[in-house]
Amino acid sequence: DSGVTQTPKHLITATGQRVTLRCSPRSGDLSVYWYQQSLDQGLQFLIQYYNGEERAKGNILERFSAQQFPDLHSELNLSSLELGDSALYFCASSTSGVTGELFFGEGSRLTVL
Amino acid sequence: EDQVTQSPEALRLQEGESSSLNCSYTVSGLRGLFWYRQDPGKGPEFLFTLYSAGEEKEKERLKATLTKKESFLHITAPKPEDSATYLCAHLEGEGAQKLVFGQGTRLTINP
Repeated sequence: DSGVTQTPKHLITATGQRVTLRCSPRSGDLSVYWYQQSLDQGLQFLIQYYNGEERAKGNILERFSAQQFPDLHSELNLSSLELGDSALYFCASSTSGVTGELFFGEGSRLTVL
Repeated sequence: EDQVTQSPEALRLQEGESSSLNCSYTVSGLRGLFWYRQDPGKGPEFLFTLYSAGEEKEKERLKATLTKKESFLHITAPKPEDSATYLCAHLEGEGAQKLVFGQGTRLTINP
């Protein structure tokens, strides 16, 4: 158990819909990362927050947005969903924002029908 | 463009058959080379960090090494529970805040 909690574990929705994925980092960790993993793309970095502020951005679509709240939990919002958005979405956390030693959650599996 | 490339994509071994996984990198100003293990449907689990050529790290049946161009993950006398996808990664971007992963090597150990 990494100590990172993600909800929901599974989500099935339709094209055009909007979903919110939630992540609680390990106790004491200030930095939260979001990754997308699909079969053909591997593990893709989306965005990183440190203590509520956005610190780094990957190839995150404009339809996707994220935020980190004062209690350090984070949410990833996916809107106008397309079939290609079906993937595993992972949240990770770390103590600092400059490290390669991340602790990953179990992921949220999104299926768009 | 900075990148890491892993080979082979997949590897099947018999229990006890030692081998190595490769991660070659073209990264200017390497700020660490990281190895992770990922079980199917689970999040990656951190294994090792290597910072400089010649460095080695060990954990049970795994040993990671680093040269100026590549890293190897050596697995000695593997067991079926070592079956997983092994990922290498490097830090990228201003402030080294983006951890970028390779495509991984899917390792299967047959009993």
